[in-house]
Amino acid sequence: GAVVSQHPSRVICKSGTSVKIECRSLDFQATTMFWYRQFPKKSLMLMATSNEGSKATYEQGVEKDKFLINHASLTLSTLTVTSAHPEDSSFYICSVGWETQYFGPGTRLLVL
Amino acid sequence: GQQVMQIPQYQHVQEGEDFTTYCNSSTTLSNIQWYKQRPGGHPVFLIQLVKSGEVKKQKRLTFQFGEAKKNSSLHITATQTTDVGTYFCAGANDYKLSFGAGTTVTVRA
Repeated sequence: GAVVSQHPSRVICKSGTSVKIECRSLDFQATTMFWYRQFPKKSLMLMATSNEGSKATYEQGVEKDKFLINHASLTLSTLTVTSAHPEDSSFYICSVGWETQYFGPGTRLLVL
Repeated sequence: GQQVMQIPQYQHVQEGEDFTTYCNSSTTLSNIQWYKQRPGGHPVFLIQLVKSGEVKKQKRLTFQFGEAKKNSSLHITATQTTDVGTYFCAGANDYKLSFGAGTTVTVRA
């Protein structure tokens, strides 16, 4: 399967700041990447589908101005949590693949 | 929209025993996938089932896809401590995955 990395693995930030999370597909050219969010002991919720060279597709209830997604190349997608608040604290995971998904190691965000 | 229900949410198993986790979709699926997430880790793909009534085995794990392609099960025999983690089913339709809530498995030696 595909190898996916994420950076950073953990981040702690102050409320009101913005945080950028990178997702890299190391051995797979991904025209599409997926961003998920997972609360403790909960399932994965798809936030958005990142499309290379075009706008991301957001799931219902996900604020696109809050969670900015950029997919500038076939190997890199970024998720920026803008003006983060404590309720944005979560585990953010990206994945690549069309049918089966290969997940990155995830980024744990804690907003104080 | 599509909903995938998974039970039980928690499964505490004596080492050596068997258990099953079940997955139900509100809509017919093109395929169903199973993932395992170890504590502190990320989901890892286990298997994909595509055909109605399909059964696949991976060592002590047996996966089934229902005839109507709306439900699935994962049966683990002779549970080991390495089986600890959360098992998610994910129903696929239009290339979008909907994850079940997961079954978190703990094992007592």
